[in-house]
Amino acid sequence: AIQMTQSPSSLSASVGDRVTITCRASQGIRNDLGWYQHKSGKAPKFLIYSVSHLQNGVPSRFSGNRSATDFTLTISSLQPEDFATYYCVQDHTYPLTFGGGTTVEI
Amino acid sequence: QVHLVESGGGVVQPGRSLRLSCAASGLTFSSYGMHWVRQAPGKGLEWVAIISYDGKNQDYADSVRGRFTISRDDSKSTVYLQMNSLRVEDTAVYYCVKDLTSDYYDPAFDFWGPGTLVSVSS
Repeated sequence: AIQMTQSPSSLSASVGDRVTITCRASQGIRNDLGWYQHKSGKAPKFLIYSVSHLQNGVPSRFSGNRSATDFTLTISSLQPEDFATYYCVQDHTYPLTFGGGTTVEI
Repeated sequence: QVHLVESGGGVVQPGRSLRLSCAASGLTFSSYGMHWVRQAPGKGLEWVAIISYDGKNQDYADSVRGRFTISRDDSKSTVYLQMNSLRVEDTAVYYCVKDLTSDYYDPAFDFWGPGTLVSVSS
């Protein structure tokens, strides 16, 4: 199975900060990568598909990018509602695999 | 508006079986693939299984292959997860997830249910 290595596992930030989370795949996955936001006790939310395409209704402060084998999620100006855990997932090959998650804390 | 409701979770002894159900509404159910994703206590998300929109294709995580079976009943807009030979490490919140499209080879987790807790313990 493809391994997704996500970093950092957690970070502390303030409202207004720019935050970047990275995922690296153990083999090529083309642009078959998505990002999800998960708040404790709630259902996860779909943010981005195919590296950089925002799902409907997702604020434009979220963006995704790719540089060689590294995939990044950037929040340009952190808002109070953005404090959550974020996961990448590769959908290139079954079994689908998630990164370990990044918890964004105040 | 899409609505997914999981049911069937609970406490079960190791080696026993459990069947989860997920009832969908607010969508043309037969047009979408469906997934199960789980989260063990204190752990991250783990994809469990997919069934294609027409029920012809399924796939599983290595950790559950041969023990779990995903199925669907379009007449009831319901997807199921039959879990056999349960292990302590199967303890998790299980989420039912609608795929973004009908394309089995281009999956994405579009909409998630609230989840149901399965606890495997003696």
